[in-house]
Amino acid sequence: DAMVIQNPRYQVTQFGKPVTLSCSQTLNHNVMYWYQQKSSQAPKLLFHYYDKDFNNEADTPDNFQSRRPNTSFCFLDIRSPGLGDAAMYLCATSPTSGRATDTQYFGPGTRLTVL
Amino acid sequence: QKEVEQDPGPLSVPEGAIVSLNCTYSNSAFQYFMWYRQYSRKGPELLMYTYSSGNKEDGRFTAQVDKSSKYISLFIRDSQPSDSATYLCAMNGGTASKLTFGTGTRLQVTL
Repeated sequence: DAMVIQNPRYQVTQFGKPVTLSCSQTLNHNVMYWYQQKSSQAPKLLFHYYDKDFNNEADTPDNFQSRRPNTSFCFLDIRSPGLGDAAMYLCATSPTSGRATDTQYFGPGTRLTVL
Repeated sequence: QKEVEQDPGPLSVPEGAIVSLNCTYSNSAFQYFMWYRQYSRKGPELLMYTYSSGNKEDGRFTAQVDKSSKYISLFIRDSQPSDSATYLCAMNGGTASKLTFGTGTRLQVTL
């Protein structure tokens, strides 16, 4: 089945220790997104790629970086995690040009704990 | 004021009940409306997608959009315990592909 895969599902890191979250997709979609979702809150878009074109949201902290080495994979790097970065991180994809009509397909998420 | 308002619940209903979930929005540029279902500790799953005012039905689910009132609804008929989840409304328009989500309504269907 075509899908969006996130690894690991659960990640524990220490305050200030860099961490990388991984997303891969078999849908061959052009657009990939990273969202942060805190408990009982709406998913918040951090950034997205249209192919290799990186689009950062204005309020995404510099502590968050991303890489997309090829169509299938995308990584979220948190350079110095703080306690406030503990959240569920969701990867999503959408097809074609990233138009408003394109629906997004989400992975299962990675739950990040910061000690 | 948030662009999308959604009552967080929790909403508890007995099995077989009709459930009504709602969102209001303030941005007239929103043209496309979605409902996602999110089970605990899982990613959101697309349930319904519509772009025009009126009703769209899919099995036990009906999505309703009233653009004049900036109000959308999701109705679930004959609710089941497996429907217990958080339901997120989402919408976009104008800026390509960027979704704006509601905070989600947590639904519990009891036996």
